[in-house]
Amino acid sequence: SYDLSQPLSVSAALGQTATITCSGTSLGSKLVHWYQQKPGQAPVLVIYKDNIRPSGIPERFSGSNSGNTATLTINRAQMGDEAAYYCQVWDVRSVIFGGGTKLTVL
Amino acid sequence: QVQLQESGPGLVKASQTLSLTCSVSGASISVGDYYWSWVRQHPGKGLEWIGYIYHSGNTYYNPSLESRVSISIDPYEGQFSLNLRSVTAADTAVYYCARVETAVDFDSWGQGIPVTVSS
Repeated sequence: SYDLSQPLSVSAALGQTATITCSGTSLGSKLVHWYQQKPGQAPVLVIYKDNIRPSGIPERFSGSNSGNTATLTINRAQMGDEAAYYCQVWDVRSVIFGGGTKLTVL
Repeated sequence: QVQLQESGPGLVKASQTLSLTCSVSGASISVGDYYWSWVRQHPGKGLEWIGYIYHSGNTYYNPSLESRVSISIDPYEGQFSLNLRSVTAADTAVYYCARVETAVDFDSWGQGIPVTVSS
């Protein structure tokens, strides 16, 4: 089965850039989607199809995907961005989630 | 705007069947290029996909749960349901229902329902 790897935790200074990676074999050949989950809440889609923001998601959120790594970038990180972030892809007909990354804004 | 709401018992005895329903409003579940899916999250852990159903009734399940899970759909009621058989404490989790753009992303989620399996 296909595996996605994410760092357990990432930190960024307030107002700086946060970078969260998601790794998998030939990940660049797949479409990657990203979700934000705050404690006690349901996940929210923040990036789909590698780099598209749903309506209502700030422009500070962006995504890229190439080679074996997809990246979620959060510019000008805010305290409200503290959350767990999950990447997701499809493997044939199965859904694969990454293990999640906890973002701390310092 | 589509809304999803999970319902069902919050406590299930071990060896019994966990049954949850997701009520969908703001969109028809009988048309469109969407799957209707269940995802769970163990306490303090990440997201685990359980399975999905298309409005035609076609289903696909996580191979790790396939022997115990079934998902059904009732387009007339605007609901889809999850049955997980022979539960153990390892099935204690928050269960989410979600809408999936076909083979793309999970664009709408329910608020989640915590389920505890008791011995």
